[in-house]
Amino acid sequence: AQSVTQLDSQVPVFEEAPVELRCNYSSSVSVYLFWYVQYPNQGLQLLLKYLSGSTLVKGINGFEAEFNKSQTSFHLRKPSVHISDTAEYFCAVSGGGGSQGNLIFGKGTKLSVKP
Amino acid sequence: GAGVSQSPSNKVTEKGKDVELRCDPISGHTALYWYRQSLGQGLEFLIYFQGNSAPDKSGLPSDRFSAERTGGSVSTLTIQRTQQEDSAVYLCASSLGGGLQETQYFGPGTRLLVL
Repeated sequence: AQSVTQLDSQVPVFEEAPVELRCNYSSSVSVYLFWYVQYPNQGLQLLLKYLSGSTLVKGINGFEAEFNKSQTSFHLRKPSVHISDTAEYFCAVSGGGGSQGNLIFGKGTKLSVKP
Repeated sequence: GAGVSQSPSNKVTEKGKDVELRCDPISGHTALYWYRQSLGQGLEFLIYFQGNSAPDKSGLPSDRFSAERTGGSVSTLTIQRTQQEDSAVYLCASSLGGGLQETQYFGPGTRLLVL
Protein backbone atom coordinates (compact mmCIF):
# COMPACT_ATOMS: atom_id res chain seq x y z
CA ALA A 1 0.00 0.00 0.00
CA GLN A 2 1.06 3.53 -0.64
CA SER A 3 2.16 5.72 2.20
CA VAL A 4 3.39 9.26 2.64
CA THR A 5 5.79 10.29 5.38
CA GLN A 6 6.26 13.87 6.45
CA LEU A 7 9.33 13.75 8.59
CA ASP A 8 8.67 16.84 10.70
CA SER A 9 5.41 17.37 12.54
CA GLN A 10 6.34 20.96 13.45
CA VAL A 11 8.78 23.41 11.92
CA PRO A 12 9.40 26.76 13.64
CA VAL A 13 11.22 29.35 11.59
CA PHE A 14 11.88 33.08 11.70
CA GLU A 15 10.37 35.44 9.17
CA GLU A 16 12.43 35.87 5.98
CA ALA A 17 14.36 32.65 6.63
CA PRO A 18 14.30 29.79 4.14
CA VAL A 19 12.31 26.67 4.89
CA GLU A 20 12.16 23.09 3.67
CA LEU A 21 9.30 20.73 4.53
CA ARG A 22 10.20 17.14 3.86
CA CYS A 23 8.04 14.49 2.25
CA ASN A 24 8.80 10.92 1.27
CA TYR A 25 6.44 8.47 -0.39
CA SER A 26 6.49 4.74 -0.91
CA SER A 27 5.50 3.44 -4.30
CA SER A 28 7.24 1.34 -6.89
CA VAL A 29 5.12 2.69 -9.72
CA SER A 30 4.46 6.12 -11.10
CA VAL A 31 2.50 8.43 -8.87
CA TYR A 32 1.32 12.00 -8.87
CA LEU A 33 2.42 14.22 -6.00
CA PHE A 34 0.71 17.17 -4.39
CA TRP A 35 1.29 19.72 -1.66
CA TYR A 36 -1.73 21.28 0.02
CA VAL A 37 -1.87 24.04 2.64
CA GLN A 38 -4.48 24.38 5.35
CA TYR A 39 -4.93 27.69 7.13
CA PRO A 40 -6.69 27.63 10.52
CA ASN A 41 -10.35 26.64 10.30
CA GLN A 42 -10.23 26.38 6.52
CA GLY A 43 -10.19 23.61 3.95
CA LEU A 44 -7.14 22.51 2.02
CA GLN A 45 -5.78 24.59 -0.85
CA LEU A 46 -3.47 23.26 -3.55
CA LEU A 47 0.04 24.75 -3.49
CA LEU A 48 1.52 22.75 -6.35
CA LYS A 49 1.56 19.35 -7.98
CA TYR A 50 3.94 17.13 -9.91
CA LEU A 51 2.50 15.13 -12.78
CA SER A 52 5.44 14.62 -15.16
CA GLY A 53 8.22 16.48 -16.90
CA SER A 54 10.49 18.91 -15.08
CA THR A 55 11.26 17.73 -11.59
CA LEU A 56 11.19 21.27 -10.18
CA VAL A 57 7.64 22.45 -9.74
CA LYS A 58 6.69 26.00 -8.88
CA GLY A 59 3.49 26.80 -7.05
CA ILE A 60 1.59 29.63 -5.49
CA ASN A 61 2.88 32.00 -2.80
CA GLY A 62 6.51 31.50 -3.82
CA PHE A 63 6.68 27.81 -2.93
CA GLU A 64 8.43 25.19 -5.03
CA ALA A 65 9.07 21.47 -4.74
CA GLU A 66 11.48 19.05 -6.28
CA PHE A 67 10.55 15.52 -7.29
CA ASN A 68 13.35 13.03 -6.73
CA LYS A 69 12.42 9.59 -8.03
CA SER A 70 15.53 7.81 -6.76
CA GLN A 71 14.97 9.07 -3.23
CA THR A 72 11.16 8.91 -3.50
CA SER A 73 10.99 12.42 -2.13
CA PHE A 74 9.02 15.56 -2.89
CA HIS A 75 10.31 18.25 -0.52
CA LEU A 76 8.67 21.67 -0.38
CA ARG A 77 10.79 24.80 -0.19
CA LYS A 78 10.47 28.54 0.09
CA PRO A 79 13.50 30.84 0.08
CA SER A 80 11.98 33.47 2.39
CA VAL A 81 8.89 32.89 4.51
CA HIS A 82 6.33 35.39 5.76
CA ILE A 83 4.19 35.42 8.86
CA SER A 84 1.23 34.66 6.63
CA ASP A 85 2.78 31.30 5.68
CA THR A 86 1.96 29.99 9.14
CA ALA A 87 -0.28 27.01 8.41
CA GLU A 88 -0.30 23.25 8.18
CA TYR A 89 1.15 21.69 5.04
CA PHE A 90 0.16 18.29 3.69
CA CYS A 91 1.98 16.17 1.15
CA ALA A 92 -0.22 13.75 -0.80
CA VAL A 93 0.07 11.10 -3.49
CA SER A 94 -2.37 9.60 -5.94
CA GLY A 95 -1.93 6.64 -8.25
CA GLY A 96 0.45 3.79 -7.58
CA GLY A 97 -2.14 1.20 -8.42
CA GLY A 98 -3.98 1.26 -5.15
CA SER A 99 -6.58 3.96 -5.53
CA GLN A 100 -9.21 5.17 -7.92
CA GLY A 101 -8.38 8.82 -7.53
CA ASN A 102 -8.40 9.48 -3.83
CA LEU A 103 -5.38 11.11 -2.26
CA ILE A 104 -3.17 9.48 0.34
CA PHE A 105 -1.99 12.17 2.75
CA GLY A 106 0.93 12.51 5.08
CA LYS A 107 0.30 13.47 8.69
CA GLY A 108 1.04 17.12 8.00
CA THR A 109 3.72 19.62 9.04
CA LYS A 110 2.79 22.68 11.06
CA LEU A 111 4.87 25.62 9.92
CA SER A 112 5.13 28.38 12.48
CA VAL A 113 6.72 31.61 11.28
CA LYS A 114 7.91 33.91 14.04
CA PRO A 115 8.71 37.61 13.70
CA GLY B 1 -16.87 31.31 -8.84
CA ALA B 2 -18.34 29.41 -5.92
CA GLY B 3 -16.18 26.80 -4.30
CA VAL B 4 -17.12 23.63 -2.49
CA SER B 5 -19.54 24.32 0.32
CA GLN B 6 -20.39 22.15 3.30
CA SER B 7 -23.07 22.31 5.94
CA PRO B 8 -23.35 22.52 8.81
CA SER B 9 -19.99 24.04 9.68
CA ASN B 10 -20.24 22.64 13.19
CA LYS B 11 -22.34 19.82 14.61
CA VAL B 12 -22.59 18.66 18.20
CA THR B 13 -24.52 15.47 18.81
CA GLU B 14 -25.03 12.89 21.47
CA LYS B 15 -23.62 9.40 21.27
CA GLY B 16 -26.04 7.09 19.50
CA LYS B 17 -27.73 9.75 17.39
CA ASP B 18 -27.60 9.84 13.59
CA VAL B 19 -26.09 12.80 11.73
CA GLU B 20 -26.15 13.98 8.13
CA LEU B 21 -23.43 16.10 6.59
CA ARG B 22 -23.95 17.87 3.29
CA CYS B 23 -21.58 18.77 0.49
CA ASP B 24 -22.21 20.99 -2.54
CA PRO B 25 -19.41 20.48 -5.07
CA ILE B 26 -18.23 22.98 -7.64
CA SER B 27 -20.69 23.11 -10.50
CA GLY B 28 -19.65 20.83 -13.36
CA HIS B 29 -17.28 18.71 -11.30
CA THR B 30 -17.96 15.04 -11.89
CA ALA B 31 -15.88 13.60 -9.05
CA LEU B 32 -16.62 14.04 -5.35
CA TYR B 33 -14.66 12.78 -2.36
CA TRP B 34 -15.19 12.61 1.39
CA TYR B 35 -12.27 12.63 3.82
CA ARG B 36 -12.05 12.63 7.59
CA GLN B 37 -9.47 14.65 9.49
CA SER B 38 -8.80 13.73 13.09
CA LEU B 39 -5.95 14.39 15.49
CA GLY B 40 -4.81 10.84 15.78
CA GLN B 41 -5.29 9.65 12.21
CA GLY B 42 -4.60 12.68 10.03
CA LEU B 43 -6.52 12.87 6.74
CA GLU B 44 -8.28 9.66 5.76
CA PHE B 45 -10.15 8.90 2.57
CA LEU B 46 -13.74 7.75 3.11
CA ILE B 47 -15.61 7.51 -0.19
CA TYR B 48 -15.35 8.59 -3.83
CA PHE B 49 -18.05 9.25 -6.43
CA GLN B 50 -17.28 9.57 -10.13
CA GLY B 51 -20.08 10.33 -12.54
CA ASN B 52 -22.61 7.52 -12.71
CA SER B 53 -20.15 4.82 -11.66
CA ALA B 54 -20.59 2.83 -8.46
CA PRO B 55 -18.89 4.71 -5.62
CA ASP B 56 -15.60 3.55 -4.15
CA LYS B 57 -16.53 2.89 -0.51
CA SER B 58 -13.23 1.30 0.44
CA GLY B 59 -12.38 3.96 3.02
CA LEU B 60 -15.57 3.83 5.07
CA PRO B 61 -14.57 2.71 8.58
CA SER B 62 -17.75 0.81 9.42
CA ASP B 63 -21.24 0.06 8.16
CA ARG B 64 -22.52 2.95 10.27
CA PHE B 65 -21.14 5.24 7.59
CA SER B 66 -22.89 5.72 4.26
CA ALA B 67 -23.03 8.36 1.56
CA GLU B 68 -25.07 9.17 -1.47
CA ARG B 69 -24.82 11.60 -4.30
CA THR B 70 -28.04 12.75 -5.86
CA GLY B 71 -28.25 13.88 -9.46
CA GLY B 72 -24.50 13.83 -9.80
CA SER B 73 -24.20 16.91 -7.62
CA VAL B 74 -24.98 17.27 -3.90
CA SER B 75 -23.72 14.57 -1.58
CA THR B 76 -24.78 13.58 1.91
CA LEU B 77 -22.62 11.63 4.34
CA THR B 78 -24.65 9.87 7.01
CA ILE B 79 -23.26 8.48 10.24
CA GLN B 80 -25.65 6.27 12.17
CA ARG B 81 -25.46 5.61 15.90
CA THR B 82 -22.57 8.03 16.32
CA GLN B 83 -19.70 7.14 18.62
CA GLN B 84 -17.21 9.42 20.34
CA GLU B 85 -14.45 8.23 18.02
CA ASP B 86 -16.45 9.68 15.10
CA SER B 87 -15.55 13.18 16.34
CA ALA B 88 -13.49 14.76 13.59
CA VAL B 89 -13.59 17.28 10.78
CA TYR B 90 -15.27 15.86 7.69
CA LEU B 91 -13.93 17.35 4.48
CA CYS B 92 -15.52 17.16 1.08
CA ALA B 93 -13.64 17.74 -2.17
CA SER B 94 -14.55 17.79 -5.83
CA SER B 95 -12.58 17.64 -9.07
CA LEU B 96 -13.43 18.30 -12.67
CA GLY B 97 -12.82 14.70 -13.64
CA GLY B 98 -11.91 11.59 -11.73
CA GLY B 99 -8.37 11.22 -13.01
CA LEU B 100 -5.45 10.64 -10.70
CA GLN B 101 -3.81 13.87 -11.84
CA GLU B 102 -6.83 16.04 -11.13
CA THR B 103 -6.68 18.80 -8.56
CA GLN B 104 -9.14 18.26 -5.76
CA TYR B 105 -10.83 21.38 -4.40
CA PHE B 106 -11.75 21.17 -0.75
CA GLY B 107 -14.60 22.64 1.22
CA PRO B 108 -14.15 24.21 4.67
CA GLY B 109 -15.30 21.05 6.42
CA THR B 110 -17.88 20.09 9.03
CA ARG B 111 -16.55 19.82 12.55
CA LEU B 112 -18.41 16.99 14.30
CA LEU B 113 -18.31 16.55 18.05
CA VAL B 114 -19.96 13.50 19.57
CA LEU B 115 -20.59 13.82 23.30
